[in-house]
Amino acid sequence: EDQVTQSPEALRLQEGESSSLNCSYTVSGLRGLFWYRQDPGKGPEFLFTLYSAGEEKEKERLKATLTKKESFLHITAPKPEDSATYLCAVEPPGNNRKLIWGLGTSLAVNP
Amino acid sequence: GAVVSQHPSWVICKSGTSVKIECRSLDFQATTMFWYRQFPKQSLMLMATSNEGSKATYEQGVEKDKFLINHASLTLSTLTVTSAHPEDSSFYICSARQFGTSSSYNEQFFGPGTRLTVL
Repeated sequence: EDQVTQSPEALRLQEGESSSLNCSYTVSGLRGLFWYRQDPGKGPEFLFTLYSAGEEKEKERLKATLTKKESFLHITAPKPEDSATYLCAVEPPGNNRKLIWGLGTSLAVNP
Repeated sequence: GAVVSQHPSWVICKSGTSVKIECRSLDFQATTMFWYRQFPKQSLMLMATSNEGSKATYEQGVEKDKFLINHASLTLSTLTVTSAHPEDSSFYICSARQFGTSSSYNEQFFGPGTRLTVL
């Protein structure tokens, strides 16, 4: 069964303390892996799409990487405004375009 | 670019009434829109997939007669919660996928969500 697992469930960092979030998946023929950020009471905000193993993308303090079984979201020198829930989703092959979602990692960055 | 709006952002209604939520892609055409429901501290639960000009595809366990979806144009989809009850209270979020066949059009862009409270 296609599945997406995110870890840790929650993470608390001090400002400036770099870390990584993990998203592991069991999907054959991955069509794309997506990272989103969600603030409380708001819709998810698109961050990155990764399509093939070895691919990396960066945006400000965030860098996403992809292997054949997992993706990492690296956060370098985080700031309190990076506090949010980070969601990972994968799109398996097929025409229905549905995403399989992880449960998210809740990140809190203390000043 | 890739902005999706939802209206209303919140609504409070009495039990038994119907509520319509609009989802619009403001700066792109969306062949496919998705409707999600999210409970507190939980991830997104897909309710249905909506393609422009055709009937929506509902996920298992989602009542299509209760959650009516209309995707009338490439920029507008609506979700109507019919005869709402307190258990329908939730955060409803739509997303839209940009028109096109290239892999660069795989992303879903989300609206800000609608908080529904049924009294």
